[in-house]
Amino acid sequence: GEDVEQSLFLSVREGDSSVINCTYTDSSSTYLYWYKQEPGAGLQLLTYIFSNMDMKQDQRLTVLLNKKDKHLSLRIADTQTGDSAIYFCAVRGGTESNTDKLIFGTGTRLQVFP
Amino acid sequence: ETGVTQSPTHLIKTRGQQVTLRCSSQSGHNTVSWYQQALGQGPQFIFQYYREEENGRGNFPPRFSGLQFPNYSSELNVNALELDDSALYLCASSFAVEQFFGPGTRLTVL
Repeated sequence: GEDVEQSLFLSVREGDSSVINCTYTDSSSTYLYWYKQEPGAGLQLLTYIFSNMDMKQDQRLTVLLNKKDKHLSLRIADTQTGDSAIYFCAVRGGTESNTDKLIFGTGTRLQVFP
Repeated sequence: ETGVTQSPTHLIKTRGQQVTLRCSSQSGHNTVSWYQQALGQGPQFIFQYYREEENGRGNFPPRFSGLQFPNYSSELNVNALELDDSALYLCASSFAVEQFFGPGTRLTVL
């Protein structure tokens, strides 16, 4: 079945860039998403990219998609302490295209230190 | 704020009991999806409702059931609760590409 993998932890200094990586197995995935989850909270949609795009930029966020390698990344420029959270990669679509269920990775915990 | 609300916020039940969780979708969204998030894990898809019909189901047993109402709000029902059902239950509403999540209901089964 579909699988989404992420590294578990990332630690960066405030002001630096963060890059969070994700790999997935379903090559027919249509949309790919990044969500942010703060402690005790729900998921906040940060951005998403359609599978026929290579890159999408939205303010401090840049998403890169390498469809050949099934690799997605999220770059956060000028990382702030408020960016500390768990970041989830999710993919949609594929074989069950009549539903827009999302398949999530296990999340990457981003810690930003001063 | 996404406009998606869930109730209750927290719930404690014992094994074998039944529970109903509620979700109000964002205005104009006709699709509601439910996810289970165990501690330290990513959310797992339970099922989705579109215009009051189930439209896809994940790998969850039949004791997980749901409803969607004409106003697109939704309920998740879990019968015969097990200890492993302890988790954060998230609902997400959508109209097209974007899925917006509510704050979740934390269910603890003792």
